[in-house]
Amino acid sequence: NAGVTQTPKFRVLKTGQSMTLLCAQDMNHEYMYWYRQDPGMGLRLIHYSVGEGTTAKGEVPDGYNVSRLKKQNFLLGLESAAPSQTSVYFCASSSWFEQYFGPGTRLTVT
Amino acid sequence: GQQLNQSPQSMFIQEGEDVSMNCTSSSIFNTWLWYKQDPGEGPVLLIALYKAGELTSNGRLTAQFGITRKDSFLNISASIPSDVGIYFCAGPTGNRDDKIIFGKGTRLHILP
Repeated sequence: NAGVTQTPKFRVLKTGQSMTLLCAQDMNHEYMYWYRQDPGMGLRLIHYSVGEGTTAKGEVPDGYNVSRLKKQNFLLGLESAAPSQTSVYFCASSSWFEQYFGPGTRLTVT
Repeated sequence: GQQLNQSPQSMFIQEGEDVSMNCTSSSIFNTWLWYKQDPGEGPVLLIALYKAGELTSNGRLTAQFGITRKDSFLNISASIPSDVGIYFCAGPTGNRDDKIIFGKGTRLHILP
C-alpha cells in the first residue's frame, strides 16, 4: 500500500502564478485534509473534505481552493500565488480521528 | 477556541536518557493522539488514546490519557538517535466532523 501520496514534492512559483497540488490515498478513507506547516506554527488546517464531492473551510482557507471529485483524490489549488503561501503542504486522510499524512510538498513563492 | 499547549518546546538530551513531554488544554478531549515528524517527512501516528487514565505503549514509547481529560503525556525510554524529530499531540475538535487540532510540537534533539 502506498498510503497517502503527494505530487509534486517541490515547486517554485513566481508571485501571481497558479498551481495545483495533488493528493491521493489508497486506504478508502472518507475524510481528507490539507494542512500547511510553517516554522513555529505547527500544522494549520486549510480545507478538508468529509466525502466525495464535499469540501469545507478550515482554519486558514484564504487564497486556496480545493476539489474532491473522486474519493481517493483531493486537490489543492492556488489561483494567484503570494509569497505568504511559501510553506510545506501536507495532505492527510482518515476514516475516523487517526489521520495518516503524506510526505509533503515544499512550495516556495518568489 | 480550543488550543493544545505542548511543553517543553524543545529538549536537548543525551543518548540513552529518558524523555518526558506533555500536552495540556483548557478544554476536555475524548481522544488524544501523538505524532512524530522526522525531518523532511510527514507526521506519523505513534499512539492513540481513547479512555481517561489509559496508558498505552508502543515499543519504547508510552503515552497516558490524563484523568482530567485535559492533558496527556508521552514518555520515551532510553532515547536513541532516531528519536530526533518533532512530537505533536492532537485531539478532535468535538464537532463530529473528524477535524483534529495539533499542538505546536516538542522538538527533540539528541546530543552525541
